[in-house]
Amino acid sequence: KQEVTQIPAALSVPEGENLVLNCSFTDSAIYNLQWFRQDPGKGLTSLLLIQSSQREQTSGRLNASLDKSSGRSTLYIAASQPGDSATYLCAVAHQTGANNLFFGTGTRLTVIP
Amino acid sequence: EAGVAQSPRYKIIEKRQSVAFWCNPISGHATLYWYQQILGQGPKLLIQFQNNGVVDDSQLPKDRFSAERLKGVDSTLKIQPAKLEDSAVYLCASSLGTEITDTQYFGPGTRLTVL
Repeated sequence: KQEVTQIPAALSVPEGENLVLNCSFTDSAIYNLQWFRQDPGKGLTSLLLIQSSQREQTSGRLNASLDKSSGRSTLYIAASQPGDSATYLCAVAHQTGANNLFFGTGTRLTVIP
Repeated sequence: EAGVAQSPRYKIIEKRQSVAFWCNPISGHATLYWYQQILGQGPKLLIQFQNNGVVDDSQLPKDRFSAERLKGVDSTLKIQPAKLEDSAVYLCASSLGTEITDTQYFGPGTRLTVL
Protein backbone atom coordinates (compact mmCIF):
# COMPACT_ATOMS: atom_id res chain seq x y z
CA LYS A 1 0.00 0.00 0.00
CA GLN A 2 1.32 3.41 -0.99
CA GLU A 3 2.12 5.75 1.90
CA VAL A 4 3.02 9.37 1.32
CA THR A 5 4.68 11.44 4.03
CA GLN A 6 5.48 15.13 4.14
CA ILE A 7 7.99 16.85 6.37
CA PRO A 8 7.76 19.26 8.08
CA ALA A 9 4.09 19.37 9.08
CA ALA A 10 4.31 23.14 9.56
CA LEU A 11 6.83 25.78 8.62
CA SER A 12 7.12 29.52 9.31
CA VAL A 13 9.59 31.67 7.43
CA PRO A 14 10.17 35.41 7.04
CA GLU A 15 9.27 36.97 3.72
CA GLY A 16 11.96 36.70 1.09
CA GLU A 17 13.47 33.43 2.27
CA ASN A 18 13.91 30.42 0.03
CA LEU A 19 12.44 27.20 1.38
CA VAL A 20 12.13 23.49 0.65
CA LEU A 21 9.21 21.19 1.34
CA ASN A 22 9.75 17.44 1.39
CA CYS A 23 7.62 14.52 0.25
CA SER A 24 8.44 10.81 0.43
CA PHE A 25 6.54 7.79 -0.86
CA THR A 26 6.97 4.09 -0.19
CA ASP A 27 6.07 2.53 -3.56
CA SER A 28 8.26 3.75 -6.42
CA ALA A 29 5.93 2.35 -9.10
CA ILE A 30 4.38 5.74 -9.70
CA TYR A 31 3.15 7.32 -12.92
CA ASN A 32 3.48 10.91 -11.78
CA LEU A 33 3.69 13.13 -8.73
CA GLN A 34 1.81 16.38 -8.21
CA TRP A 35 2.19 19.25 -5.81
CA PHE A 36 -1.04 20.96 -4.78
CA ARG A 37 -1.80 24.10 -2.85
CA GLN A 38 -4.78 24.25 -0.48
CA ASP A 39 -6.08 27.54 0.89
CA PRO A 40 -8.52 27.58 3.84
CA GLY A 41 -12.09 27.08 2.66
CA LYS A 42 -10.99 26.41 -0.89
CA GLY A 43 -10.27 23.36 -2.96
CA LEU A 44 -6.94 22.07 -4.13
CA THR A 45 -5.03 23.80 -6.90
CA SER A 46 -2.46 21.84 -8.87
CA LEU A 47 0.91 23.64 -8.92
CA LEU A 48 3.29 21.26 -10.65
CA LEU A 49 3.10 17.78 -12.11
CA ILE A 50 6.20 15.65 -12.66
CA GLN A 51 6.02 12.56 -14.83
CA SER A 52 7.92 9.52 -13.52
CA SER A 53 10.43 9.88 -16.34
CA GLN A 54 11.23 13.49 -15.41
CA ARG A 55 13.59 14.82 -12.77
CA GLU A 56 12.12 18.27 -12.23
CA GLN A 57 9.53 20.83 -13.25
CA THR A 58 9.57 24.59 -12.85
CA SER A 59 6.84 27.21 -12.74
CA GLY A 60 7.80 30.73 -11.81
CA ARG A 61 9.29 30.73 -8.33
CA LEU A 62 8.44 27.05 -7.84
CA ASN A 63 10.68 24.12 -8.66
CA ALA A 64 9.77 20.51 -7.97
CA SER A 65 12.22 17.63 -8.18
CA LEU A 66 11.61 13.91 -8.26
CA ASP A 67 13.91 11.01 -7.35
CA LYS A 68 11.72 8.02 -8.04
CA SER A 69 14.26 5.40 -7.04
CA SER A 70 14.62 6.84 -3.55
CA GLY A 71 10.93 7.72 -3.25
CA ARG A 72 11.44 11.43 -2.71
CA SER A 73 10.30 14.75 -4.07
CA THR A 74 11.01 18.31 -3.02
CA LEU A 75 9.21 21.57 -3.69
CA TYR A 76 11.49 24.58 -3.70
CA ILE A 77 9.94 28.02 -3.31
CA ALA A 78 12.19 30.96 -4.06
CA ALA A 79 11.84 34.41 -2.53
CA SER A 80 8.78 33.51 -0.47
CA GLN A 81 5.88 35.96 -0.20
CA PRO A 82 3.00 36.25 2.31
CA GLY A 83 0.68 35.14 -0.48
CA ASP A 84 2.47 31.80 -0.51
CA SER A 85 0.98 31.00 2.91
CA ALA A 86 -1.13 27.87 2.45
CA THR A 87 -1.01 24.11 2.93
CA TYR A 88 1.04 22.26 0.33
CA LEU A 89 0.15 18.67 -0.51
CA CYS A 90 1.97 16.16 -2.66
CA ALA A 91 0.12 13.31 -4.33
CA VAL A 92 1.25 10.32 -6.37
CA ALA A 93 -0.57 8.40 -9.06
CA HIS A 94 0.24 4.74 -9.53
CA GLN A 95 1.36 3.19 -12.79
CA THR A 96 -1.60 0.85 -12.87
CA GLY A 97 -5.21 1.15 -11.96
CA ALA A 98 -7.66 3.99 -12.26
CA ASN A 99 -6.70 7.62 -11.81
CA ASN A 100 -6.39 7.42 -8.03
CA LEU A 101 -4.26 9.92 -6.17
CA PHE A 102 -2.50 9.08 -2.91
CA PHE A 103 -1.99 12.24 -0.90
CA GLY A 104 0.56 13.17 1.73
CA THR A 105 -0.33 14.74 5.04
CA GLY A 106 0.59 18.25 3.91
CA THR A 107 2.89 21.04 5.08
CA ARG A 108 1.28 24.20 6.41
CA LEU A 109 3.42 27.14 5.33
CA THR A 110 3.26 30.60 6.90
CA VAL A 111 5.29 33.41 5.36
CA ILE A 112 5.69 36.27 7.81
CA PRO A 113 5.74 39.79 6.35
CA GLU B 1 -15.33 27.67 -17.44
CA ALA B 2 -17.22 26.97 -14.23
CA GLY B 3 -15.42 24.85 -11.67
CA VAL B 4 -16.61 22.00 -9.49
CA ALA B 5 -19.49 23.14 -7.29
CA GLN B 6 -20.29 21.71 -3.88
CA SER B 7 -22.98 22.39 -1.33
CA PRO B 8 -23.42 23.01 1.47
CA ARG B 9 -20.09 24.56 2.36
CA TYR B 10 -20.52 23.88 6.07
CA LYS B 11 -22.68 21.48 8.04
CA ILE B 12 -22.96 20.80 11.74
CA ILE B 13 -24.94 17.80 12.96
CA GLU B 14 -25.18 15.61 16.02
CA LYS B 15 -23.96 12.05 16.00
CA ARG B 16 -26.42 9.48 14.70
CA GLN B 17 -28.05 12.07 12.45
CA SER B 18 -28.00 11.84 8.66
CA VAL B 19 -26.38 14.24 6.23
CA ALA B 20 -26.04 14.58 2.46
CA PHE B 21 -23.58 16.48 0.31
CA TRP B 22 -24.02 17.50 -3.29
CA CYS B 23 -21.48 17.90 -6.09
CA ASN B 24 -21.81 19.29 -9.60
CA PRO B 25 -18.71 18.48 -11.68
CA ILE B 26 -17.28 20.48 -14.55
CA SER B 27 -19.46 20.15 -17.63
CA GLY B 28 -18.39 17.26 -19.82
CA HIS B 29 -16.33 15.52 -17.15
CA ALA B 30 -17.19 11.84 -17.09
CA THR B 31 -15.30 10.96 -13.92
CA LEU B 32 -16.23 12.14 -10.45
CA TYR B 33 -14.40 11.54 -7.17
CA TRP B 34 -15.32 11.98 -3.51
CA TYR B 35 -12.46 12.43 -1.04
CA GLN B 36 -12.49 12.66 2.75
CA GLN B 37 -9.93 14.94 4.37
CA ILE B 38 -9.65 14.65 8.14
CA LEU B 39 -8.00 17.57 9.90
CA GLY B 40 -4.22 17.30 9.66
CA GLN B 41 -4.32 14.58 7.00
CA GLY B 42 -4.28 14.43 3.24
CA PRO B 43 -7.42 13.67 1.23
CA LYS B 44 -8.39 10.00 0.99
CA LEU B 45 -10.41 8.68 -1.94
CA LEU B 46 -13.82 7.36 -0.90
CA ILE B 47 -15.42 6.60 -4.24
CA GLN B 48 -14.81 7.16 -7.96
CA PHE B 49 -17.52 7.21 -10.63
CA GLN B 50 -17.18 6.88 -14.38
CA ASN B 51 -20.42 8.34 -15.72
CA ASN B 52 -23.02 6.66 -13.46
CA GLY B 53 -20.97 3.53 -12.71
CA VAL B 54 -18.66 2.94 -9.74
CA VAL B 55 -14.99 2.46 -10.62
CA ASP B 56 -13.58 2.21 -7.10
CA ASP B 57 -15.34 2.28 -3.73
CA SER B 58 -12.88 0.13 -1.81
CA GLN B 59 -12.35 2.76 0.91
CA LEU B 60 -15.99 3.75 1.33
CA PRO B 61 -17.42 2.65 4.72
CA LYS B 62 -20.46 1.06 3.16
CA ASP B 63 -22.25 0.42 6.44
CA ARG B 64 -22.89 4.14 6.81
CA PHE B 65 -21.76 5.91 3.64
CA SER B 66 -23.50 5.80 0.28
CA ALA B 67 -23.06 7.72 -2.94
CA GLU B 68 -24.89 7.92 -6.20
CA ARG B 69 -24.56 9.58 -9.58
CA LEU B 70 -27.81 8.54 -11.17
CA LYS B 71 -27.67 10.53 -14.41
CA GLY B 72 -23.91 10.58 -14.73
CA VAL B 73 -23.66 14.27 -13.85
CA ASP B 74 -24.42 15.45 -10.29
CA SER B 75 -23.55 13.27 -7.35
CA THR B 76 -24.73 12.95 -3.77
CA LEU B 77 -22.74 11.52 -0.86
CA LYS B 78 -24.75 10.49 2.20
CA ILE B 79 -23.77 9.51 5.72
CA GLN B 80 -26.32 7.68 7.86
CA PRO B 81 -25.86 7.59 10.81
CA ALA B 82 -22.96 9.96 11.36
CA LYS B 83 -20.21 9.30 13.91
CA LEU B 84 -17.85 11.73 15.59
CA GLU B 85 -14.96 10.45 13.47
CA ASP B 86 -16.77 11.50 10.30
CA SER B 87 -15.90 15.12 11.05
CA ALA B 88 -13.85 16.14 8.03
CA VAL B 89 -13.85 18.11 4.80
CA TYR B 90 -15.48 16.23 1.96
CA LEU B 91 -13.94 17.15 -1.38
CA CYS B 92 -15.43 16.46 -4.77
CA ALA B 93 -13.26 16.38 -7.89
CA SER B 94 -13.87 15.68 -11.54
CA SER B 95 -11.82 14.79 -14.60
CA LEU B 96 -12.51 14.20 -18.27
CA GLY B 97 -11.97 10.46 -17.95
CA THR B 98 -10.24 7.81 -15.90
CA GLU B 99 -6.97 7.97 -17.79
CA ILE B 100 -4.03 8.61 -15.55
CA THR B 101 -3.23 11.66 -17.65
CA ASP B 102 -6.59 13.29 -16.91
CA THR B 103 -6.19 16.18 -14.49
CA GLN B 104 -8.47 16.20 -11.46
CA TYR B 105 -10.14 19.52 -10.63
CA PHE B 106 -11.28 19.98 -7.05
CA GLY B 107 -14.27 21.77 -5.57
CA PRO B 108 -14.11 23.94 -2.42
CA GLY B 109 -15.29 21.12 -0.17
CA THR B 110 -17.96 20.68 2.49
CA ARG B 111 -16.77 20.95 6.08
CA LEU B 112 -18.73 18.54 8.30
CA THR B 113 -18.68 18.79 12.07
CA VAL B 114 -20.30 15.96 14.03
CA LEU B 115 -21.04 16.81 17.68
